[in-house]
Amino acid sequence: SAVISQKPSRDICQRGTSLTIQCQVDSQVTMMFWYRQQPGQSLTLIATANQGSEATYESGFVIDKFPISRPNLTFSTLTVSNMSPEDSSIYLCSVSSGTSGGNTIYFGEGSWLTVV
Amino acid sequence: AQSVAQPEDQVNVAEGNPLTVKCTYSVSGNPYLFWYVQYPNRGLQFLLKYITGDNLVKGSYGFEAEFNKSQTSFHLKKPSALVSDSALYFCAVRDRGDSSYKLIFGSGTRLLVRP
Repeated sequence: SAVISQKPSRDICQRGTSLTIQCQVDSQVTMMFWYRQQPGQSLTLIATANQGSEATYESGFVIDKFPISRPNLTFSTLTVSNMSPEDSSIYLCSVSSGTSGGNTIYFGEGSWLTVV
Repeated sequence: AQSVAQPEDQVNVAEGNPLTVKCTYSVSGNPYLFWYVQYPNRGLQFLLKYITGDNLVKGSYGFEAEFNKSQTSFHLKKPSALVSDSALYFCAVRDRGDSSYKLIFGSGTRLLVRP
């Protein structure tokens, strides 16, 4: 399985600021995704990061709030913009090495954000 | 619409006893099914998946799961629980006909194995 590194692993952020989370994979992967896990909750897909084009966002998530970049097959960033306490969550980068629906999705360790 | 149900918020079991964590799903077509585990302050780790073939799937750390199409279930099992198995377990589903590759997760079940 791919090794997925996320930075930062944890941060405490001030209300109204923005933070960019980086995701680096040790091998080229076809699909990259960003998930959110709110405190005590399950995981929700924010968007699929597409190389060289705009990310595909899920219902309830918009580019202005969660801009995503994916410049190549091993790297992606997620920015959480104009943060509020409701954005306090774990943000998880995930990858799949193929496009078959049966391919396993692997997750990074997550970026634990607290907004104060 | 796809959905996953994990009916138990928490499962308690004594070390050495068998454990079952329940999962049922709803998809319009045929599913791909996954189990993940989340240890405290960690990300998600892949345990096992059902794609096709044998309904009994074996995975990491001695876990296994049985796909039951008629009951639309994919329960996670282990013959003998360890204290170190205590963690949060997530079931996830993807519809084979869904081109987005999105995983739908259940609400999670906390497993507590007591010594």
